Amino acid sequence: SQQGEEDPQALSIQEGENATMNCSYKTSINNLQWYRQNSGRGLVHLILIRSNEREKHSGRLRVTLDTSKKSSSLLITASRAADTASYFCATSNAGNNRKLIWGLGTSLAVNP
Amino acid sequence: DAGVIQSPRHEVTEMGQEVTLRCKPISGHNSLFWYRQTMMRGLELLIYFNNNVPIDDSGMPEDRFSAKMPNASFSTLKIQPSEPRDSAVYFCASSFYIGQWFGTGGNQPQHFGDGTRLSIL
Repeated sequence: SQQGEEDPQALSIQEGENATMNCSYKTSINNLQWYRQNSGRGLVHLILIRSNEREKHSGRLRVTLDTSKKSSSLLITASRAADTASYFCATSNAGNNRKLIWGLGTSLAVNP
Repeated sequence: DAGVIQSPRHEVTEMGQEVTLRCKPISGHNSLFWYRQTMMRGLELLIYFNNNVPIDDSGMPEDRFSAKMPNASFSTLKIQPSEPRDSAVYFCASSFYIGQWFGTGGNQPQHFGDGTRLSIL
């Protein structure tokens, strides 16, 4: 069953703008992960944030986690056309952490 | 290092035929996952293995689906007989599970293959 819910479902921006995607979940987690999927390819891991962390950076990516609101956001700064992809959040849930629970994804289009 | 390797990349077959999808996980990983992705249902976990043992197959749609992992470097997902509603992209992913008492709670990032696009006519 899907737990994560990404918001928005689709996002279209111009190159150079920032893109923000949100993810909400329902149960207690050990960590939350963000993945990217380019068309016709498998998912690629971007960043993992632990439940005791509030913010994490990796290059142009910034992830925040608010466990009190059960939500996370992924910010891509200075977007490029190559960032066009679908982005998924996945949670590793406390109590059953051998598998990830996936959201339905946000489709991001970065227009040159 | 080689990533997760899936074969075939594309499969088109007629309803009723047996379909076998193959996966070679990343060397050293001890967990393997089979997913199915469709526009309507998104990414669904079908089954996962830990140390070659099936841990949870509750996502397998029905008895027509079966999965095996005879050794640490190979897994198969079989559909017999296939039906048009089985058409989807099937992904295999692998990761290293380090136990729930450590660090991130055990779930390290998963590494995905590029999938098998299956069309059942």
